[in-house]
Amino acid sequence: EVQLQQSGAELVRPGTSVKLSCKVSGDTITAYYMHFVKQRPGQGLEWIGRIDPEDDSTKYAEKFKNKATLTADTSSNTAYLKLSSLTSEDTATYFCTTSGMDAWGQGASVTVSS
Amino acid sequence: DIQMTQSPPSLSASLGETISIECLASEGIYSNLAWYQQKPGKSPQLLIYGASSLQDGVPSRFSGSGSGTQFSLKISSMQPEDEADYFCQQSYKFPLTFGSGTKLEIK
Repeated sequence: EVQLQQSGAELVRPGTSVKLSCKVSGDTITAYYMHFVKQRPGQGLEWIGRIDPEDDSTKYAEKFKNKATLTADTSSNTAYLKLSSLTSEDTATYFCTTSGMDAWGQGASVTVSS
Repeated sequence: DIQMTQSPPSLSASLGETISIECLASEGIYSNLAWYQQKPGKSPQLLIYGASSLQDGVPSRFSGSGSGTQFSLKISSMQPEDEADYFCQQSYKFPLTFGSGTKLEIK
């Protein structure tokens, strides 16, 4: 059974960047596309994008193209989401999930505040 | 982008009651639809994929139906543990999009 372990909560300053990790265990990360999803407090789910760790190809939702960068490290079985130029609008919980979305990380809370 | 219109936004049901949640796609998506359950402070959990296939481990009181643009999730005989938020999601075309969610509460 594949399991996803995400990095911890982050408190970051406006205008800075943050890089979140999602470590896959129970299988090799190259067996899956890795997706990231945003959920603002009390709100619904927004798809950010996905990466194919096999060849590092990516797809993003248009609104995240200048905000998010997805990468993957096959040697550590880990996918990463980097968020740049942070504003209060980026305060949210970010989830990673596998293709088919049948396995999810526990979520990583990002709070943007001065 | 494909818009997913989910209804109702909230629902209150008695234990043992059968409930339905609807999801309407802005264009045809064949059967590329999934349903998720999310409890407070937890990650979403996949209930239904391919519009009507039950994910392993999900109770059989959950069922999904529909194709094209109209879909529904049915819970037969509401249980206390079913109190949660429910979301539909299309995977036919990028960007993947979710419905706005339905909050299901016990009456």
